Amino acid sequence: GNSVTQMEGPVTLSEEAFLTINCTYTATGYPSLFWYVQYPGEGLQLLLKATKADDKGSNKGFEATYRKETTSFHLEKGSVQVSDSAVYFCALSRNFNKFYFGSGTKLNVKP
Amino acid sequence: EAGVTQFPSHSVIEKGQTVTLRCDPISGHDNLYWYRRVMGKEIKFLLHFVKESKQDESGMPNNRFLAERTGGTYSTLKVQPAELEDSGVYFCASSHPQANTEAFFGQGTRLTVV
Repeated sequence: GNSVTQMEGPVTLSEEAFLTINCTYTATGYPSLFWYVQYPGEGLQLLLKATKADDKGSNKGFEATYRKETTSFHLEKGSVQVSDSAVYFCALSRNFNKFYFGSGTKLNVKP
Repeated sequence: EAGVTQFPSHSVIEKGQTVTLRCDPISGHDNLYWYRRVMGKEIKFLLHFVKESKQDESGMPNNRFLAERTGGTYSTLKVQPAELEDSGVYFCASSHPQANTEAFFGQGTRLTVV
């Protein structure tokens, strides 16, 4: 079946620290992989995506690389800001019509 | 352009009562989805509409849940009768009819059954 496992939170970092949120997946075939973010009081927003192996998605300083050999899609950012505080969800989809999400990782960035 | 809008933002009801959640998708988006996040766990797919037709309802937990999308515009999700385990955040999303396009999510409705 299809499933996503991501590291449990909360993750607390100081401003300008390096961020990694781990995500691994199980899937049939070759899904597309996504990171969604939910800022306080808002809906889910697409942060970045990768549609095939070795693709790197990037946006707002965040990056993630689709690693087929390790079935992973870890989210990274070199220097986090207070405004990055949010809940981050890793997800996969075969056809963009049905997403399988992880349980979410809450990130707290302290000034 | 207005985003996906969900009503209400919060709802607290007693076990056994009925609750109806509403989702207004982005105009022109034929695809509409419902998802649910229970107790801080993963967000799970409930169902997918294409216009007014149910394309995939494999995630609906049981027959206490009824989703409709009359006229292919807004959608409602009714829970009747509500149980404690139905508590969670219900998200709605919509996407353009073109294949492989981004789905836009609403803010969610937080449902608490007491």
